[in-house]
Amino acid sequence: AQTVTQSQPEMSVQEAETVTLSCTYDTSENNYYLFWYKQPPSRQMILVIRQEAYKQQNATENRFSVNFQKAAKSFSLKISDSQLGDTAMYFCAFMNGAQGGSEKLVFGKGTKLTVNP
Amino acid sequence: DTGVSQDPRHKITKRGQNVTFRCDPISEHNRLYWYRQTLGQGPEFLTYFQNEAQLEKSRLLSDRFSAERPKGSFSTLEIQRTEQGDSAMYLCASSLDAPNSGVDTEAFFGQGTRLTVV
Repeated sequence: AQTVTQSQPEMSVQEAETVTLSCTYDTSENNYYLFWYKQPPSRQMILVIRQEAYKQQNATENRFSVNFQKAAKSFSLKISDSQLGDTAMYFCAFMNGAQGGSEKLVFGKGTKLTVNP
Repeated sequence: DTGVSQDPRHKITKRGQNVTFRCDPISEHNRLYWYRQTLGQGPEFLTYFQNEAQLEKSRLLSDRFSAERPKGSFSTLEIQRTEQGDSAMYLCASSLDAPNSGVDTEAFFGQGTRLTVV
């Protein structure tokens, strides 16, 4: 079974600075997808960024980028130029990439990020 | 279409009662997923549908839980004989295609139904 571990329950960063959230996972699969989701207080979860395991290039979305280390099974999220609106719970998630396979997301426990003014 | 809608947003019930939650996905989405999130944890998968077919169920979905998606549109999640351990946020998500289909597709989440069993 796949597992996702987020070792930082809480983090804080000053506005405009950079912060990195850690995520490691365990799987025997070679084809899979990794995701970072953001869950603001009392709001729905939204997708921040997605990485296909077969792609060597790290995904980027504006101020958000990942450092995907497949051999180490590590998938960290870097947020640059942090903004107050980035304050939220961040969840790392895994999905099996096999065609016709399970579509369930396996989530970590989350990291609560606070951006301070 | 304003996204995935869940109803009710909050539900307080007495232990032993039955409850039913509803999820309305984004209209053209054929995939619909249910997750449960307890305090301090990430969401845990319960079940998912492709159109009206329920394709996978987690072992978390005990025989007191049942989910349906008649006609492949909205879905309901029913919990019978609720227990205090059922207290959680129940999240629904939908997607146009399988997120692991190789197509750049995304699962959109609703705001959830928070269940409190007293």
